[in-house]
Amino acid sequence: DAKTTQPNSMESNEEEPVHLPCNHSTISGTDYIHWYRQLPSQGPEYVIHGLTSNVNNRMASLAIAEDRKSSTLILHRATLRDAAVYYCILRVPGGDKIIFGKGTRLHILP
Amino acid sequence: GAGVSQTPSNKVTEKGKYVELRCDPISGHTALYWYRQSLGQGPEFLIYFQGTGAADDSGLPNDRFFAVRPEGSVSTLKIQRTERGDSAVYLCASSFGTSGGSQFFGPGTRLTVL
Repeated sequence: DAKTTQPNSMESNEEEPVHLPCNHSTISGTDYIHWYRQLPSQGPEYVIHGLTSNVNNRMASLAIAEDRKSSTLILHRATLRDAAVYYCILRVPGGDKIIFGKGTRLHILP
Repeated sequence: GAGVSQTPSNKVTEKGKYVELRCDPISGHTALYWYRQSLGQGPEFLIYFQGTGAADDSGLPNDRFFAVRPEGSVSTLKIQRTERGDSAVYLCASSFGTSGGSQFFGPGTRLTVL
């Protein structure tokens, strides 16, 4: 499976935008880019996914580089409840298991 | 509607004992997954079921670990002769099919082997 690289941790101030980067230089043409997050003492939860075009949903936006070798998860206005570990994951169409890395631990400062 | 539930939420056992961990997936979800998460690490895949059958058990670490899903809904992860290294949070997830769609995770069972 193609791998992703994320910073171990990031900090952001409350009510400011947060940009979480992910590098995936070995991505294949059919890999989807998925993001999950894991709040403290909870299981992971789906955030967003995309293939080539930028995507928006109620939780976040996903910006995908033109060459697809990197992507950025954007939280438009971070709250304290967004403090979590964010995982960037590549999945093939019809893929089953998720291969998680260590993710980025996001700290939100009040 | 109800999400994925797991019982017990915490389990403390002694080395060498047998444990069972239960997962109730979201109603109607045909695929069910088990993952294990050690402190400071991302979840690690163990096994997944499509219906009643184990479609991929390549993540099970050894033959002390076994999982069943006899009626295609509830699943039980069974660990024999537990070892201290089995201590982790065991996560269950379900999804509607295995088309690469999002998986819905339960809160996990924290297993501690003394």
